Amino acid sequence: AQRVTQPEKLLSVFKGAPVELKCNYSYSGSPELFWYVQYSRQRLQLLLRHISRESIKGFTADLNKGETSFHLKKPFAQEEDSAMYYCALHTGRRALTFGSGTRLQVQP
Amino acid sequence: DTAVSQTPKYLVTQMGNDKSIKCEQNLGHDTMYWYKQDSKKFLKIMFSYNNKELIINETVPNRFSPKSPDKAHLNLHINSLELGDSAVYFCASSHPGQGSYEQYFGPGTRLTVT
Repeated sequence: AQRVTQPEKLLSVFKGAPVELKCNYSYSGSPELFWYVQYSRQRLQLLLRHISRESIKGFTADLNKGETSFHLKKPFAQEEDSAMYYCALHTGRRALTFGSGTRLQVQP
Repeated sequence: DTAVSQTPKYLVTQMGNDKSIKCEQNLGHDTMYWYKQDSKKFLKIMFSYNNKELIINETVPNRFSPKSPDKAHLNLHINSLELGDSAVYFCASSHPGQGSYEQYFGPGTRLTVT
């Protein structure tokens, strides 16, 4: 069965520090992976997807099939980046399988 | 111009009651979903539905039932509410037929069962 693991519940960094939110997945097929973000009291919104290979708000994520990882990175964290981040895996059954989420706290 | 909307935003009710949460999307998507976010912020799929197929997460109690009057709506009905049903429920939609599995989420409904 598919699974998404985000090992860190909370990641606290200072403004300007690099950020890496870890995500590992388990899926026997060809995965499609996403990062979603939930700012305080707001709805979940898509941050980026691996097939786009884009950078959104300075964040990037590379799919590493060998390590089955899709870590989210940003070189310089901003206070407005503070939020819950969810890694999600899409498989052929339509719905997304989410990781347990990592709360990113960027301190001034 | 809200893409996915849910009502109510907050719902407080007593154990044993029956309640419904409504969801509407105006994106023209063909697939809608319900997710449950528990107190630890863990998100879990409950149902996915389009006009052809209902996929149910087998761990969801049969007290929960999705009802879709048309393609733009997927309501969640809950019978005999229990304390453990307290959570935030998110509706979402997507259009896999367009080659995108991106899901658009509603604002959530915070259900509190007392």
